[in-house]
Amino acid sequence: NAGVTQTPKFQVLKTGQSMTLQCAQDMNHNSMYWYRQDPGMGLRLIYYSASEGTTDKGEVPNGYNVSRLNKREFSLRLESAAPSQTSVYFCASSEALYRLAGDNRNTGELFFGEGSRLTVL
Amino acid sequence: QQPVQSPQAVILREGEDAVINCSSSKALYSVHWYRQKHGEAPVFLMILLKGGEQKGHEKISASFNEKKQQSSLYLTASQLSYSGTYFCGTEKPPGGGNKLTFGTGTQLKVEL
Repeated sequence: NAGVTQTPKFQVLKTGQSMTLQCAQDMNHNSMYWYRQDPGMGLRLIYYSASEGTTDKGEVPNGYNVSRLNKREFSLRLESAAPSQTSVYFCASSEALYRLAGDNRNTGELFFGEGSRLTVL
Repeated sequence: QQPVQSPQAVILREGEDAVINCSSSKALYSVHWYRQKHGEAPVFLMILLKGGEQKGHEKISASFNEKKQQSSLYLTASQLSYSGTYFCGTEKPPGGGNKLTFGTGTQLKVEL
């Protein structure tokens, strides 16, 4: 079971370049998330998708766009990369708690990918 | 607004206990706890829901005071494997979608 898979794991960009981070999950989860992690800042939510076809802004959406291509895949795009976007990016998936009522096998936990380390010069 | 975690860092000897606190200025629906080891992804420990329900790790306990909007994670008889950074993630009502706001983390180091 692969869980949550992110690509690429490492990327170096120049200011102004664009790129897309790919994320796929094989757990049939409805909800998917993109977080960024910076030293001393913890994890901050960039975008969130409650289900296929829906997306919603998180705490720090500026400079990013997302696409929920299907139930499995949720991509994050940087249209014009800036040095402030140097970070480690984590994709995650989960099943919403309101879908799990009465099911003690599931906890509503977030399953994270291994992370993508992005450096913008 | 991010929840506030305390302490920021703690060093324990193997076998000692620790408490990590998480405090929010807003009403909460749920509190999640995660542990992250250096260079790895966060791993789920526990979720505490409004109303007292808990789900998660069998060997780690936690509490959730809804009125004070605070949660505490209790690590007893610490082991070397407990080392890492602990994050609380909070979700405000109506909740249920696991759309979390994480604290800045508590670094825990367990030594022999």
